[in-house]
Amino acid sequence: LAKTTQPISMDSYEGQEVNITCSHNNIATNDYITWYQQFPSQGPRFIIQGYKTKVTNEVASLFIPADRKSSTLSLPRVSLSDTAVYYCLVGDRDSNYQLIWGAGTKLIIKP
Amino acid sequence: DTGVSQDPRHKITKRGQNVTFRCDPISEHNRLYWYRQTLGQGPEFLTYFQNEAQLEKSRLLSDRFSAERPKGSFSTLEIQRTEQGDSAMYLCASSLAMRPNEKLFFGSGTQLSVL
Repeated sequence: LAKTTQPISMDSYEGQEVNITCSHNNIATNDYITWYQQFPSQGPRFIIQGYKTKVTNEVASLFIPADRKSSTLSLPRVSLSDTAVYYCLVGDRDSNYQLIWGAGTKLIIKP
Repeated sequence: DTGVSQDPRHKITKRGQNVTFRCDPISEHNRLYWYRQTLGQGPEFLTYFQNEAQLEKSRLLSDRFSAERPKGSFSTLEIQRTEQGDSAMYLCASSLAMRPNEKLFFGSGTQLSVL
C-alpha cells in the first residue's frame, strides 16, 4: 500500500519561500507524485505533478531526488491566500493506482 | 462554468432518511470519482466510473451507499437510511487521462449533516 508522510502543519510569513517535504519510501517505478491544494469548504485543486528531477509551473516547483523516495513542494513568495491544506499523493499499486489521501499539511501564512 | 458541479451544496437530514447527491463532471471527462471527507482528514475514496461502468468500489463502503452514472455523463450518489456517522463532505471529481495518477478536477462538494 503506497503511503506518504508529510508534516501535519507548518507556519510561514508572507513573502517567504515555503518548502513542504513528503516521503514516499515505497513508491512504484511508474508512479507519479502529485500535489493538491485545498481551501476550506472547497474540493482539492491540482497544483503540480512530477516523476523525477524538477518540475516548475506558474504556481510551484516540485523537486524529486534520484531515489524518488521523497519530494519537496516549493511555493515561492507566499501570500495569505496560500493558507490551505497541501496533499502529497502517489498511486496505490494494490488498488488499481487509486490515490490514497493522507491528512495533508496545513500551511498557515502569517502577515 | 465548465468545472465540476455538485448539487446540493448543503444537505441537512434526519437519521434514517434517504439522500441523493448529483455530480456533473467536466463534459469530455470519462472518469468520475466519489470521495468522502471528514474534518481534518483527506478525501476517502468511495467509488469510480469509467463512462457508465462502475469499475471500483471501496471495500469499506456500506451497502447503504449506491452510485450510478447511467449515460456516462452526470452521476448520483444515494445514501439510504442515513446515520450520524455519514455526516461528511461528499466530493466528486472527474478526469480525462487513462494513466495512473491522472489529474483530478474536483467539485466544491456536498456537505451532509445527519441529525
